[in-house]
Amino acid sequence: DAGVTQSPTHLIKTRGQQVTLRCSPKSGHDTVSWYQQALGQGPQFIFQYYEEEERQRGNFPDRFSGHQFPNYSSELNVNALLLGDSALYLCASSLGFSGKQPQHFGDGTRLSIL
Amino acid sequence: GDSVTQMEGPVTLSEEAFLTINCTYTATGYPSLFWYVQYPGEGLQLLLKATKADDKGSNKGFEATYRKETTSFHLEKGSVQVSDSAVYFCALVPGYSSASKIIFGSGTRLSIRP
Repeated sequence: DAGVTQSPTHLIKTRGQQVTLRCSPKSGHDTVSWYQQALGQGPQFIFQYYEEEERQRGNFPDRFSGHQFPNYSSELNVNALLLGDSALYLCASSLGFSGKQPQHFGDGTRLSIL
Repeated sequence: GDSVTQMEGPVTLSEEAFLTINCTYTATGYPSLFWYVQYPGEGLQLLLKATKADDKGSNKGFEATYRKETTSFHLEKGSVQVSDSAVYFCALVPGYSSASKIIFGSGTRLSIRP
């Protein structure tokens, strides 16, 4: 039973570029959340997708956008990259969004901005 | 707003020592509380959880009790092993929201000496 898978594992971009990160949820899960983890910090909630719609959003600018596909997989897009966007981006999946069900995390995508 | 505060690290202990990592929270209503662990180069793994006051979560010898009167969820283990070396995150999911964003503390790095 595959867990949450993310691609790519590492990525290097330059300022001003755009990036797309991908996530496949754990089998049987229908809700995907994205988090940004800066070095030495706890993860920060970006947004959550359920039924192909953004259900909740954290305090991130519109440069951060996402999408969920009918097979529940998801993409995170970041435009006009800044040096401060360098971080580990984590995807988490769950069944439903009640908060009572545990979220399962992938190993993340390490994004470095030069 | 809702937040989590946990003791700063790094924490260094000898093998078989007793471990306590303090965690307190600020939240409206009745949040669910979690401890996640992050091993080097990996994503987050759920260690244990508690969804209501006085619940005790436990896993792999770790325990934490949901104390509403002190708004605390301290992590304990009676005898740590070298393999417990990792970063530990205390977290909550707000009880008022229909979506399940996780609010994390800043993490505590634990190192166990043989």
